[in-house]
Amino acid sequence: DTTVKQNPRYKLARVGKPVNLICSQTMNHDTMYWYQKKPNQAPKLLLFYYDKILNREADTFEKFQSSRPNNSFCSLYIGSAGLEYSAMYLCASSRDGDSYAEQFFGPGTRLTVL
Amino acid sequence: QQQVRQSPQSLTVWEGETAILNCSYEDSTFDYFPWYWQFPRESPALLIAIRPVSNKKEDGRFTIFFNKREKKLSLHITDSQPGDSATYFCAASGGNYAQGLTFGLGTRVSVFP
Repeated sequence: DTTVKQNPRYKLARVGKPVNLICSQTMNHDTMYWYQKKPNQAPKLLLFYYDKILNREADTFEKFQSSRPNNSFCSLYIGSAGLEYSAMYLCASSRDGDSYAEQFFGPGTRLTVL
Repeated sequence: QQQVRQSPQSLTVWEGETAILNCSYEDSTFDYFPWYWQFPRESPALLIAIRPVSNKKEDGRFTIFFNKREKKLSLHITDSQPGDSATYFCAASGGNYAQGLTFGLGTRVSVFP
C-alpha cells in the first residue's frame, strides 16, 4: 500500500483562526513533507520531517508549524490563518533520508480562508 | 526567482504524435530530476527520473534527455495517447540527504484522438 492520506480534504477557515491539517502513511517512511500549491504556481516546499528532525524553509519558517508524534502521522499547523494561506496543501512521504527517494503524494487538503 | 522553469505552459498534440516538454534549472547543485504527472483530481505521481550521471533515461514511451552543460532537460512522450493527458511537473533536488523537491510550474498536456 503506497497510500498517503490527508484529512480533511476540504477545510474552510476564518481569518485569524488556527488551522490544523493531518497527514498519515503506513509505509514506515522516514521522511514526510508538506507542500503548498496555489493556482498557476509551482508546488512549494514548506517543511519536512526526517525521522524526528524538522526542517523548515527559511521563507516560511514563522508561518507554519508541524509535529510528528509518531512515524505514521504528521500535522501542519497555522496559528492564525490569513487570506494568503488559501491553497492546496500536499503531504508526501519517502522511504529514505536521501534526496533521490521517490516521494509519494497524498490527495491534498484544499484550504479556503475567508 | 524560479529555480526550475518549464515550457510550454500547455501543449496539445494528436494521438500518435510526440510531445516534447522542456525544463531548465538554475542551481548547479541539483543532481536529481524527477518528472511527476498529475491527472485531474488525483495526486502527483512519479513518472520517470534522471540523475546527471547519464544524459538519457528511457521508460517505455517516455524519455528524458539531459544536458548538464546547458542546465536543460526535456521529456519526450512518443506515440502520445489520450490517457497521457495530464499536467507534467519537472522537479529537482540535490545532495545525499533528505530534501524536498523544487518544482516547475508544470506543463498541461492534452492528447486528442
